[in-house]
Amino acid sequence: NAGVMQNPRHLVRRRGQEARLRCSPMKGHSHVYWYRQLPEEGLKFMVYLQKENIIDESGMPKERFSAEFPKEGPSILRIQQVVRGDSAAYFCASSPGTPLTRPGTQYFGPGTRLTVL
Amino acid sequence: QQQVKQSPQSLIVQKGGISIINCAYENTAFDYFPWYQQFPGKGPALLIAIRPDVSEKKEGRFTISFNKSAKQFSLHIMDSQPGDSATYFCAARGNTGNQFYFGTGTSLTVIP
Repeated sequence: NAGVMQNPRHLVRRRGQEARLRCSPMKGHSHVYWYRQLPEEGLKFMVYLQKENIIDESGMPKERFSAEFPKEGPSILRIQQVVRGDSAAYFCASSPGTPLTRPGTQYFGPGTRLTVL
Repeated sequence: QQQVKQSPQSLIVQKGGISIINCAYENTAFDYFPWYQQFPGKGPALLIAIRPDVSEKKEGRFTISFNKSAKQFSLHIMDSQPGDSATYFCAARGNTGNQFYFGTGTSLTVIP
């Protein structure tokens, strides 16, 4: 069973460009989470999604950031008009569960390291 | 505000010694407490986890001690090895199940 996949692993963007980060959850997992990790800091929750639904986006900046988890394909975290402060490692995690059960332990992908020049 | 407080920020232990990392929380609705290990350039990997109805859980050299009344939990690494050198994060699952709150991490260095 393959783990959580994220791509690209490294992404360089200039200020004002768009960044698209992809996450494929583990097989059988229906819950996806996105976290941001700044240097020397812990992980900060951004958004929690189930297939085709955003369940909790309370940690997501109100502007420029969006996330989706379509019926088919990976979850996408999109950052528009990137700024230098967006430079960080972005981790995706998935967990098993159904809409009627609580999500279980989260399994993390290797992360995407975004650098904004 | 930081929902889960973790200490120390860094820790140096001799090979064979015991590494102890502590976490504290305020929200009594938290119902699941995992620990993660992260190596440089990698994502966090689940190490061990505990539920609040259990006071201790042991898996190999790793033990979680949980004190529900004090709202504290800790990770003990017995017989620490240089390969254990990594950053360790504690976490807690919120009452809605939607969010996991992470501590700020402890950088562990095990000296040969």
